[in-house]
Amino acid sequence: SYVLTQPPSVSEAPGQTARITCGGNNIGTKSVHWYQQKPGQAPLLVVYDDSDRPSGIPERFSGSNSEKTATLTINRVEAGDEADYYCQVWDTSSDHPVFGGGTKLTVL
Amino acid sequence: QLLESGGGLVQPGGSLRLSCAASGFTFSAFTMTWVRQAPGRGLEWVSAISDGGTRTSYAESVKGRFSISSDNSRNTLYLQLNSLRVEDTAVYYCAKDNLESDALDLWGQGTLVTVSS
Repeated sequence: SYVLTQPPSVSEAPGQTARITCGGNNIGTKSVHWYQQKPGQAPLLVVYDDSDRPSGIPERFSGSNSEKTATLTINRVEAGDEADYYCQVWDTSSDHPVFGGGTKLTVL
Repeated sequence: QLLESGGGLVQPGGSLRLSCAASGFTFSAFTMTWVRQAPGRGLEWVSAISDGGTRTSYAESVKGRFSISSDNSRNTLYLQLNSLRVEDTAVYYCAKDNLESDALDLWGQGTLVTVSS
């Protein structure tokens, strides 16, 4: 089945820009969604269809998708952004969603 | 809002039925999904049921053991877990599919299933 690859961890200082990547074969042809999961909480959709934000998600969160890599960008990182972030696409071969392994964002 | 229930401790080979009560949206109009997360691990898609309940799908790891269903009159999603294995231990989340996308735009708080002797 389709494999999504994320770095296990990303660290960034408050106020800086954090970028979390998600790699997959021809990922640029797929719609990528991103979820934020804080400890002990359910996942929360923060970006869908590569770059759209659900209502209530700050504009600091944005997404992009190119041929080989999708990226979640968090501008002006805050302590409250510390969480695990997961990318997700629809795998057409198996006809179900696939998640990346997750990236732990640490705010220094 | 989505509210799961039914989790607990069960022995290997046992069964459980998870429920997910939906409110605040037209339950019958959306595909609904179960996702699980083993302790300290990532998210794993488990099963989905189409709006109207006519089409179901399962991950290979649970096919033949788990069964998804929904009751539109009760706005409730179910997951029947049979022949449970230690590796099924996880928090099970129900989630609502976005109508225009395959993103999961609403999640429940999860219910913990522990399979252990």
